[in-house]
Amino acid sequence: QSALTQPPSASGSPGQSVTISCTGTSSDVGGYNYVSWYQQHPGKAPKLMIYEVSKRPSGVPDRFSGSKSGNTASLTVSGLQAEDEADYYCSSYAGSNTHVVFGGGTKLTVL
Amino acid sequence: EVQLLESGGGLVQPGGSLRLSCAASGFTFSSYAMSWVRQAPGKGLEWVSAISGSGGSTYYADSVKGRFTISRDNSKNTLYLQMNSLRAEDTAVYYCAKSYYSGSYYPWDFDYWGQGTLVTVSS
Repeated sequence: QSALTQPPSASGSPGQSVTISCTGTSSDVGGYNYVSWYQQHPGKAPKLMIYEVSKRPSGVPDRFSGSKSGNTASLTVSGLQAEDEADYYCSSYAGSNTHVVFGGGTKLTVL
Repeated sequence: EVQLLESGGGLVQPGGSLRLSCAASGFTFSSYAMSWVRQAPGKGLEWVSAISGSGGSTYYADSVKGRFTISRDNSKNTLYLQMNSLRAEDTAVYYCAKSYYSGSYYPWDFDYWGQGTLVTVSS
């Protein structure tokens, strides 16, 4: 069982927006502004999409945005495109003993 | 261009050992912490171990503590993971991953990943 809870699946039509949640505790998501999101296409390595809750690395489209409220972080993908179909994983800093934890992943389907 | 190339995976019996390597290029290797992250077949990501840029600090997930050892050779731009006392639940694709930030500031975001190497623990 993963430390962070994500819905197994999410979906949306091209052009729509979809939001994926990531729920933790006050010991991880709620305690630090260090939530990240990764995109993983089948058979490929993960790609960093969001770091420190809402920052985008260079090259990531601004259609991807992140936020956090309490113990739940969210990734929003606006203007869905076919290439956004992938698995998405959240991660969070969890203190000096556990370090970093991941969510179980959400499969995003573009209908 | 940043490149990370893992090697050393394969089939090993329970209780056996394996050493993974990750050859890095395209960045100042010694300036960045590095991690190993694994993914069991059809499952999610699990952080395994990390090492500071100098190699002086190492970190482990509880699930591998005492069995796995991370190390690096900055003269060879190579990261290693020595895995001992392997169990069936260690079966996974193992990725090496570069920290987003250089230095010691928050090494737990990973901006470049290798293609992964599959470790299968089975009799």
